[in-house]
Amino acid sequence: KQEVTQIPAALSVPEGENLVLNCSFTDSAIYNLQWFRQDPGKGLTSLLLIQSSQREQTSGRLNASLDKSSGRSTLYIAASQPGDSATYLCAVALYSSASKIIFGSGTRLSIRP
Amino acid sequence: DAGVIQSPRHEVTEMGQEVTLRCKPISGHNSLFWYRQTMMRGLELLIYFNNNVPIDDSGMPEDRFSAKMPNASFSTLKIQPSEPRDSAVYFCASSLALAVFGNTIYFGEGSWLTVV
Repeated sequence: KQEVTQIPAALSVPEGENLVLNCSFTDSAIYNLQWFRQDPGKGLTSLLLIQSSQREQTSGRLNASLDKSSGRSTLYIAASQPGDSATYLCAVALYSSASKIIFGSGTRLSIRP
Repeated sequence: DAGVIQSPRHEVTEMGQEVTLRCKPISGHNSLFWYRQTMMRGLELLIYFNNNVPIDDSGMPEDRFSAKMPNASFSTLKIQPSEPRDSAVYFCASSLALAVFGNTIYFGEGSWLTVV
């Protein structure tokens, strides 16, 4: 059974710092991995999607990497800003059932001004 | 596009009552998902449809839960009878095609359900 884990559950850093969020998954048979952002009281917004054949994806100050063999992904946020404060979730699409997407429990990020 | 639209946004109901949550996916999307989010269990997939057909409902907690998609632009999630442990945020999401094609999933803003 695929399990997706995100550590730490919460993280607080001062504005301007670069930071890394971690995601691990137990079964490497995935189609892709996505990183989402969730603001309080809102739905999830997709940030980056990495196909299983890719190693990384970049969007602005965000860079996501994928190491499928080790079951790990990281989300790198450069020059963090208070507006980056949110919960970040990673999710994997299972190879066995392409539309079954399993989410991690998320990392709650707080950027201190 | 207006995005995925869910209603109601908030509902408080008494135990034993029927609850119906509604979702309008993004026009042209042919995959629709219902998720439930709680502090204890995180985000759980309840059921998903492809081309209006339920593909996998193994996440539906029990027979009290049912979901329908009568057409490409509307889906419902029904709980009957509701129980306090059903209190959660229920999200509907849609995508252009199956996740294998790398299509982004778009989430609605959720229906916040409280059963007292």
